Amino acid sequence: DQQVKQNSPSLSVQEGRISILNCDYTNSMFDYFLWYKKYPAEGPTFLISISSIKDKNEDGRFTVFLNKSAKHLSLHIVPSQPGDSAVYFCAALRNSGTYKYIFGTGTRLKVLA
Amino acid sequence: KAGVTQTPRYLIKTRGQQVTLSCSPISGHRSVSWYQQTPGQGLQFLFEYFSETQRNKGNFPGRFSGRQFSNSRSEMNVSTLELGDSALYLCASTGRTGTGELFFGEGSRLTVL
Repeated sequence: DQQVKQNSPSLSVQEGRISILNCDYTNSMFDYFLWYKKYPAEGPTFLISISSIKDKNEDGRFTVFLNKSAKHLSLHIVPSQPGDSAVYFCAALRNSGTYKYIFGTGTRLKVLA
Repeated sequence: KAGVTQTPRYLIKTRGQQVTLSCSPISGHRSVSWYQQTPGQGLQFLFEYFSETQRNKGNFPGRFSGRQFSNSRSEMNVSTLELGDSALYLCASTGRTGTGELFFGEGSRLTVL
């Protein structure tokens, strides 16, 4: 049972436009949601997170929105840059005292120059 | 501050062999977790260790095992390798942050022939 789903395996966006990456989850007990970015031959790096008690968190060009009623979160990148081309994973965490993260399958973003 | 270090970076094994992967976490981090990444499956949680104790385990067969030493370094072992074990194995450590942000190593890419 995939508790965290990223239904779009890939996304192409023009440089300067907005990139929107989506993630759905099924477990309403998750406490935190995080986005990670992964370049080829590198480990994932943390991008931005949001607590389940909030509905928006912003960090520079990156904003994450959380819609708890729809069990949906999205990552907005504005403006998109070619260096943003990577695989993006959303992850959910139930802070039960152990760090067992549930990751989505990833969305490959390609920003076209 | 040194990051998470994983060795070896690449290795090739044949079916039936066993393999041991090593992970050195960020200094001061006591939680180490392991993930398997395969195309189309995202990052699958293997297990998490904290102070030499396994706190959580994912849905992998018993061929997958791990341990953590007193200096927080961790190893994972896969016995009786199968072709389907070919993957990128990622180690991550966690410090005392509110979101439990994971810091990943670059991974060990295992190919089973």
